[in-house]
Amino acid sequence: RKEVEQDPGPFNVPEGATVAFNCTYSNSASQSFFWYRQDCRKEPKLLMSVYSSGNEDGRFTAQLNRASQYISLLIRDSKLSDSATYLCVGTTPDDYGQNFVFGPGTRLSVLP
Amino acid sequence: NAGVTQTPKFRVLKTGQSMTLLCAQDMNHEYMYWYRQDPGMGLRLIHYSVGEGTTAKGEVPDGYNVSRLKKQNFLLGLESAAPSQTSVYFCASSLTGYEQFFGPGTRLTVL
Repeated sequence: RKEVEQDPGPFNVPEGATVAFNCTYSNSASQSFFWYRQDCRKEPKLLMSVYSSGNEDGRFTAQLNRASQYISLLIRDSKLSDSATYLCVGTTPDDYGQNFVFGPGTRLSVLP
Repeated sequence: NAGVTQTPKFRVLKTGQSMTLLCAQDMNHEYMYWYRQDPGMGLRLIHYSVGEGTTAKGEVPDGYNVSRLKKQNFLLGLESAAPSQTSVYFCASSLTGYEQFFGPGTRLTVL
């Protein structure tokens, strides 16, 4: 079983739709969580950190449920430019700091 | 600022050849990382460094070596390339060990 799992998609949604992705993690020692965005054939870029109390950044809302060990990302009013792969990341402490574990990503296509 | 740069962008090797990938960052970050990305597998950590002169193994270190002689550079070496090492390699750096900034990647094909 992978340590961080995501539905690979693709999620095909019309412009203006609301879409939600979930990500589950198996290591209960995981401390910090992030969502990264990766455009086709490009490098990943940080979208947002995920806080225990939940956090919002414009049209994006991230939630963390430690009891059920999942993270979610909600995108409201989808734009064509939101089309990308969304990577869920969890960290666990190791001898040198934090070990990052990336999920395989969920692909989103926003259609006109 | 250039951020994180990687050299080369593309490379084709024959089995058994060696090569070094260079990662450079101009943000004075302590932490640097090497990942590989394969379809359906997500990014997997190869090696990382928490400062000049220090390196540590990640999830998939076999077949790779690294060096961090200067704070701004992190080198990834393949001593004897194998077809299983065909992948996209990303370098990243971080100031705090949390938010990571990635380079544009190196596409490596081993024949």
